Amino acid sequence: DAGITQSPRHKVTETGTPVTLRCHQTENHRYMYWYRQDPGHGLRLIHYSYGVKDTDKGEVSDGYSVSRSKTEDFLLTLESATSSQTSVYFCAISEAGTPNSPLHFGNGTRLTVT
Amino acid sequence: AQSVTQLGSHVSVSEGALVLLRCNYSSSVPPYLFWYVQYPNQGLQLLLKYTTGATLVKGINGFEAEFKKSETSFHLTKPSAHMSDAAEYFCAVSDRGFGNEKLTFGTGTRLTIIP
Repeated sequence: DAGITQSPRHKVTETGTPVTLRCHQTENHRYMYWYRQDPGHGLRLIHYSYGVKDTDKGEVSDGYSVSRSKTEDFLLTLESATSSQTSVYFCAISEAGTPNSPLHFGNGTRLTVT
Repeated sequence: AQSVTQLGSHVSVSEGALVLLRCNYSSSVPPYLFWYVQYPNQGLQLLLKYTTGATLVKGINGFEAEFKKSETSFHLTKPSAHMSDAAEYFCAVSDRGFGNEKLTFGTGTRLTIIP
């Protein structure tokens, strides 16, 4: 695996509580991404970052926020978790932002919102 | 927006048999094309990619895919399936001129290998 660590690996939380997922990389890659994986939907992009403090929305960003204060860390926050946010969340990194620089994925965080 | 269709959410083949996983894309302009594999409890990893040049692309673990513009397809094949090939496979596509944030994934095909 590329040096990508996601934490926690599993989390169960209650509706309405805030949740923060962390992605840490040791590759010094500029680009970082948060995806969610749901059956029948493949992977969908939530937010991405193209540098420290530079972030943008993806396809399914509603209800999520992100922060990147250091190159190596990209945080995903659910301000008030809902059951529809039960999913497996993947962080990915790429050296450049173009398709010639493919994505490398972490091992995912399984989040259950009850 | 680009879209990608993977025919068959589940495919089963016998060990030693041909593996064929189908992927079709929607763009009229040849895009960038990718196949990723996901083993249980792991993230996705790149199998192979087509960006330009030769239309038959070879990847890791004996897999290959052929870009066919006339059929808007990028099917994944392996001549002889191995038990270790059991995993979920995702086709992905990106329009030329755009970044990874525009990468669109298919819904995946789960490959089962029958001993």
